[in-house]
Amino acid sequence: DAKTTQPNSMESNEEEPVHLPCNHSTISGTDYIHWYRQLPSQGPEYVIHGLTSNVNNRMASLAIAEDRKSSTLILHRATLRDAAVYYCILRGGISDKLIFGTGTRLQVFP
Amino acid sequence: DAGITQSPRHKVTETGTPVTLRCHQTENHRYMYWYRQDPGHGLRLIHYSYGVKDTDKGEVSDGYSVSRSKTEDFLLTLESATSSQTSVYFCAISELKRANSTYGYTFGSGTRLTVV
Repeated sequence: DAKTTQPNSMESNEEEPVHLPCNHSTISGTDYIHWYRQLPSQGPEYVIHGLTSNVNNRMASLAIAEDRKSSTLILHRATLRDAAVYYCILRGGISDKLIFGTGTRLQVFP
Repeated sequence: DAGITQSPRHKVTETGTPVTLRCHQTENHRYMYWYRQDPGHGLRLIHYSYGVKDTDKGEVSDGYSVSRSKTEDFLLTLESATSSQTSVYFCAISELKRANSTYGYTFGSGTRLTVV
């Protein structure tokens, strides 16, 4: 399973945009880039995913580099409720398993 | 989360006793997974199932067994609980293997297991 690299932690102020980076230099052509987040004392929740093109949904935007070796999750206006651990995961292959790394802990300050 | 429930939510058990955790889904999803989460390790896959009676091992399967006799239920059993199995256990479901699905995985709320 291809691995991802994320910073351990990031900080943001409320109502500011947040850009969470992820490196995945060994990504294969069939791997989708998935993002999940885990709020305190909860299970992870799906945020967004993409293959090659940038993606937007009600929660966030996903910007994917042209060579697909990195991606960025964008929260357009951080709120206190966005404080969580964010996981960047490559999904695909035969087993379709989600293999989690340690993620990025995002702190949001009022 | 709607469509997936874990039971019990909390359990304290003694070393050496068997323990079974249950994951129940109402989404009719084919894939089901058991993860454990410990400080400093993130989530690690224990076992997963790709259909009734079809299961396979994950990263940390030693000391655990699973069963899936019905689409909706996926059971995780600790045959003889040890203190190292104290953890938070999460169940997850996903649609038929489609990496481009818009659904992703749905996780349960977790079971906090303490082995004393």
